[in-house]
Amino acid sequence: SQQGEEDPQALSIQEGENATMNCSYKTSINNLQWYRQNSGRGLVHLILIRSNEREKHSGRLRVTLDTSKKSSSLLITASRAADTASYFCAFLGNQGGKLIFGQGTELSVKP
Amino acid sequence: SQTIHQWPATLVQPVGSPLSLECTVEGTSNPNLYWYRQAAGRGLQLLFYSVGIGQISSEVPQNLSASRPQDRQFILSSKKLLLSDSGFYLCAWSGQYYGYTFGSGTRLTVV
Repeated sequence: SQQGEEDPQALSIQEGENATMNCSYKTSINNLQWYRQNSGRGLVHLILIRSNEREKHSGRLRVTLDTSKKSSSLLITASRAADTASYFCAFLGNQGGKLIFGQGTELSVKP
Repeated sequence: SQTIHQWPATLVQPVGSPLSLECTVEGTSNPNLYWYRQAAGRGLQLLFYSVGIGQISSEVPQNLSASRPQDRQFILSSKKLLLSDSGFYLCAWSGQYYGYTFGSGTRLTVV
């Protein structure tokens, strides 16, 4: 299967703590992206990291990419209750413009 | 700015009835367009993608079909719905270098 795999499937933390989600994939990629989905809503693009990049920051988000291990991680620092959502990694293969998604991590941040 | 519209937001249809979900994009030309399905609020499965008018690629065999009659219009159809067609359907578009932009989704319940 081309699908990415994410862990953990669910994560529950307290406000102010950091949340780390991991994603692994099996093929060579052009880029890897992270999305957020609030319950019952569409997905929102958070950040994109290209295959030649190792780390990227956007506000409280930090994404790393290790192409030798075919893995990526998303770190949300100083989490807030409003960060409660499902987070998906998705990767774009080198063969074409089809974004393949992982199964997602359900993050719950308790106030 | 680019926007994507998807409707309806929710739909309840009897088994055996036809289906038509529509997605339109504004503010861009010749976008790549995608239909995804999300079951049980988790990972997204790519159903169809289109790189141009009349060009449709199907990712999985199923009871659904897609059409792209205009550059910025993407339609998901079925002649006879099955119970297993229930799910959350998401339309998305992409340019060449950026992440995907998703519509707000259609919750389809086949009864």
